[in-house]
Amino acid sequence: SAVISQKPSRDICQRGTSLTIQCQVDSQVTMMFWYRQQPGQSLTLIATANQGSEATYESGFVIDKFPISRPNLTFSTLTVSNMSPEDSSIYLCSVTDSFLNSGNTIYFGEGSWLTVV
Amino acid sequence: GENVEQHPSTLSVQEGDSAVIKCTYSDSASNYFPWYKQELGKRPQLIIDIRSNVGEKKDQRIAVTLNKTAKHFSLHITETQPEDSAVYFCAATLSIPNSGYSTLTFGKGTMLLVSP
Repeated sequence: SAVISQKPSRDICQRGTSLTIQCQVDSQVTMMFWYRQQPGQSLTLIATANQGSEATYESGFVIDKFPISRPNLTFSTLTVSNMSPEDSSIYLCSVTDSFLNSGNTIYFGEGSWLTVV
Repeated sequence: GENVEQHPSTLSVQEGDSAVIKCTYSDSASNYFPWYKQELGKRPQLIIDIRSNVGEKKDQRIAVTLNKTAKHFSLHITETQPEDSAVYFCAATLSIPNSGYSTLTFGKGTMLLVSP
């Protein structure tokens, strides 16, 4: 399985500020995704990070609020913009690659725990 | 799109008992069904998965069954231990072979508590 590293692991952020989360994978992967897990809730897909093109956002998520970059096949960033307390969540990077022997299994990074005050 | 329902939301068992968590899905095209275990403060970890060409899969104390006709799948944990206590999430996806493309729709999770 791929090794997925996220930074920061935790942060406390001021209302109205923005924070960029980085996701680094130890091998080239086809697809990278960003999920959000609000306190006590399930995981919700924010967007698919496409290498070399704009991210594909799910219903309820927009680029102005969650800009995403994917400059190459091993790295992606998610920015949470103009944060409010409702953005307090775990943000998880995930990857899947048909060329891993796992056959499209999806793996998660350690997560970034954000608290907005 | 896909909708995944998961039951129960909480499950308390005694150590050594079996635990069963059930999920239903709506999109008959979904063909890949993973289960994740999330311990407090940690990321979800894949514990077992099943694909639509298989009816049952077992790995030591855990097993998953799939009924494509009824569009439901279940996680079975036998001889539960206190370290099995965690939140378990089911998920469903349409996995396109050789495309690398799969996006998961998750159930709401089941908090399993195993008492010594």
